[in-house]
Amino acid sequence: EVQLVESGGGLVKPGGSLNLSCAASGFTFSGYTINWVRQAPGKGLEWVSSISSTGKDIFYADSVKGRFTISRDNAKNSLFLQMNSLRAEDTALYYCARVAYSSSSYWGQGTLVIVSS
Amino acid sequence: QSVLTQPPSASGTPGQRVTISCSGSSSNTGSNSVNWYQQFPGTAPKLLIYTNNQRPSGVPDRFSGSKSGTSASLAISGLQSEDEADYYCAAWDDSLNGWVFGGGTKLTVL
Repeated sequence: EVQLVESGGGLVKPGGSLNLSCAASGFTFSGYTINWVRQAPGKGLEWVSSISSTGKDIFYADSVKGRFTISRDNAKNSLFLQMNSLRAEDTALYYCARVAYSSSSYWGQGTLVIVSS
Repeated sequence: QSVLTQPPSASGTPGQRVTISCSGSSSNTGSNSVNWYQQFPGTAPKLLIYTNNQRPSGVPDRFSGSKSGTSASLAISGLQSEDEADYYCAAWDDSLNGWVFGGGTKLTVL
């Protein structure tokens, strides 16, 4: 069974940092580009970042560029998102997901990040 | 403000056919395929349609997708009460080098 399990969310003050993790199982994690997608409370989906299977190609949404860093450890089937200089508008449920033009679409259940003083 | 434009709401009665539109630009829907996702409250999005009109295994054939130019559509025929959910379109954007989503359409089954 395919599973993506996010962790690391929580309450943080503006300007603070958090490091999200995503543990993958049930599929060949090292073979796929994986993304972080977030959803603010009551709002739509917003793509945050992508990392290719080898980690060579990395892309960020303009809204997080320079503040967030995506990385992966294929040996541990894990994806990470280091979030610095957090703002109130970063408050959202963060999903680890395989978003692709493919039937192999995988999403975790998300980890909630709340940025508030 | 989402890059892809969807109507915020849609509705229909059981058995009806409803369509949800998704409009983009040359850098996303105009040059790349469109995926559609279904999301129920409190759950993760689920892939409904990929590459414009392909259904993953397990998705009923009541759901269909199409694309023409920079616009795409999701059609749901034989509407059922369990189809009441939020629907999102998505496409890769060559200019942004990332995925862009529509703002979502809340489907109500009357």
